[in-house]
Amino acid sequence: KQEVTQIPAALSVPEGENLVLNCSFTDSAIYNLQWFRQDPGKGLTSLLLIQSSQREQTSGRLNASLDKSSGRSTLYIAASQPGDSATYLCAVSGTASKLTFGTGTRLQVTL
Amino acid sequence: EPEVTQTPSHQVTQMGQEVILRCVPISNHLYFYWYRQILGQKVEFLVSFYNNEISEKSEIFDDQFSVERPDGSNFTLKIRSTKLEDSAMYFCASSEVRIGQYFGPGTRLTVT
Repeated sequence: KQEVTQIPAALSVPEGENLVLNCSFTDSAIYNLQWFRQDPGKGLTSLLLIQSSQREQTSGRLNASLDKSSGRSTLYIAASQPGDSATYLCAVSGTASKLTFGTGTRLQVTL
Repeated sequence: EPEVTQTPSHQVTQMGQEVILRCVPISNHLYFYWYRQILGQKVEFLVSFYNNEISEKSEIFDDQFSVERPDGSNFTLKIRSTKLEDSAMYFCASSEVRIGQYFGPGTRLTVT
């Protein structure tokens, strides 16, 4: 059974800092990995999708990497802003299309 | 930009009552999903639906749950007899192919 873990559970950084969020999964036979953002009481916004054959994806200040063999992904956020404050979720899918989610990293960017 | 919509945003119901949560997936998508998130816990997969039938379901998705695509646009989740432990945020998602799911804003279900 696939298990997804995210470290740290919470993170507080000053504005402008670069930061890395970590995601690990137990079964390396994944089809793809998605990073989502969740604001309190809201839905999930897809940030980046990495297919199993890819090593990384970039969108603006966000960069996600995937090391399938070691069961790890990182989300790098450059020059963090207060508007980046949210919970970041990592999710993986196997050959079936369902997503298995991690517990998330709650990020707070302070002024 | 196309988006997944869900109604209602918040539903309060009494234990034992039936509820129907509604979703309108993105129009050209073929795969549909329901997930739930109990407060403070992980987002959990409930069921996936493709070609008018369930393609996969989790252990949570027991006989009390059912899904339907009654017309060309709606996708519904029915809970026949709600329990207190069904209180959660329910998310609908859709995808054009088997990867890259787009989520709706969720329906908060409160069972009293």
